[in-house]
Amino acid sequence: QTVVTQEPSLTVSPGGTVTLTCASSTGAVTSGHYPNWFQQKPGHAPRALIYSTDNKHSWTPARFSGSLLGGKAALTLSGVKPEDEAEYYCLLYDGGTRVFGGGTKLTVL
Amino acid sequence: EVQLVESGGGLVRPGGSLRLSCAASGFPFSSYSINWVRQAPGKGLEWVSSINYNSNIIYYADSLKGRFTISRDNAKDSLYLQMNSLRAEDTAVYFCVRGGSGATKYDLFDIWGQGTMVTVSS
Repeated sequence: QTVVTQEPSLTVSPGGTVTLTCASSTGAVTSGHYPNWFQQKPGHAPRALIYSTDNKHSWTPARFSGSLLGGKAALTLSGVKPEDEAEYYCLLYDGGTRVFGGGTKLTVL
Repeated sequence: EVQLVESGGGLVRPGGSLRLSCAASGFPFSSYSINWVRQAPGKGLEWVSSINYNSNIIYYADSLKGRFTISRDNAKDSLYLQMNSLRAEDTAVYFCVRGGSGATKYDLFDIWGQGTMVTVSS
């Protein structure tokens, strides 16, 4: 089964920029994996941020953007705010099944 | 209001069965695929299963090995997950999540229920 890998943890300063990545064990991530990105804070259900690589939901702050970068899916946060501290998950479409990454714990410090 | 509300969780013995339900409202349920996603305590998200809008296309995570069955009743705007031969490792919060509309391949995963807790323990 496909394994999806994310950075376990990242730290960024307020106002800074950080890129989270999402890699597939089967090879390069493409638009055909329809990458999704989610944010989850303790005690809450996940909140969708990005779908199909780079599409934002109506509630997604402008500072969040999705892309493909070096064979991986990427989520970039520009002008990070303290409230962006959370766990972030990617999800890849894999020929019908879907696979979540292990999550990246983002610390804003 | 667009929402999904799960129910049916609880405590069950290893080897037992449980049926989860998910009630949809505020959107045309019969036009969307729906997914089940679970999260074990203190762990990450795990995709469980998906069913397309007309129940013709169903997928499961390989790890389930035929123990779970997803279904839907569009007349009742409801989704179900029948879970059999439950194991301790199935202990998790189970979320139903809206997928994509019609025949689109991509999922929105935009609407999440609050989740229902399933605990498998003797």
